[in-house]
Amino acid sequence: QVHLVQSGAEVKKPGASVKVSCEASGYTFTTYYLHWVRQAPGQGLEWVGLVIPKSGFTMYAERFQGRVTMTRETSTSTVYMELSSLRSDDTAVYYCARDGTGAHFDYWGQGTLVTVSS
Amino acid sequence: QAVVTQEPSLTVSPGGTVTLTCGSSTGAVTSGHYPFWFQQKPGQAPKTLIYDTNNKHPWTPARFSGSLLGGKAALTLSGAQPGDEAEYFCMFSYSGVRVFGGGTKLTVL
Repeated sequence: QVHLVQSGAEVKKPGASVKVSCEASGYTFTTYYLHWVRQAPGQGLEWVGLVIPKSGFTMYAERFQGRVTMTRETSTSTVYMELSSLRSDDTAVYYCARDGTGAHFDYWGQGTLVTVSS
Repeated sequence: QAVVTQEPSLTVSPGGTVTLTCGSSTGAVTSGHYPFWFQQKPGQAPKTLIYDTNNKHPWTPARFSGSLLGGKAALTLSGAQPGDEAEYFCMFSYSGVRVFGGGTKLTVL
């Protein structure tokens, strides 16, 4: 069965960087895209970007351009999202989710809480 | 970046029908925006109900349906149940860039 397992909660200071991982299992890693979506406390969903594991192609939401980097490691079926220059309003739960033909956001990771606080 | 607009809140009676809509600041919503609808309950990850306007996942209850209506994407719930009380988010694709709506809090009362 398909699983997306994310790394654990992080606490960071303003200005620092955070790197969150999402390990996929139960399917061929390179077949589907992986998106990152975040949700600030009590707020809605916000798309951060996507990575295509087969090629490494990435696409980011405009507001995160220059601050976010998404990568993948095919040997471990893991994608990473690194967000730099953290601010307090980056405090959120970050989710990875699978997409592509035959997937369509069918599986989501459990979420990773990133807290930015001085 | 485009702005996607949803009703902030709606109420439906048990057994009733309600339609949630999702509009785009760029104009009429089309199938080319590949509309998605997600349901989220407190403390849980979102669950995808509808993709590509009107397609359902195996777990999507038959009482949910997606469509295009009056230039917007629409999610219709027919025969609401108490368990359908949740927040519902739509999402569009703009040449690959995804944008979520602000969410609709649906109350079944």
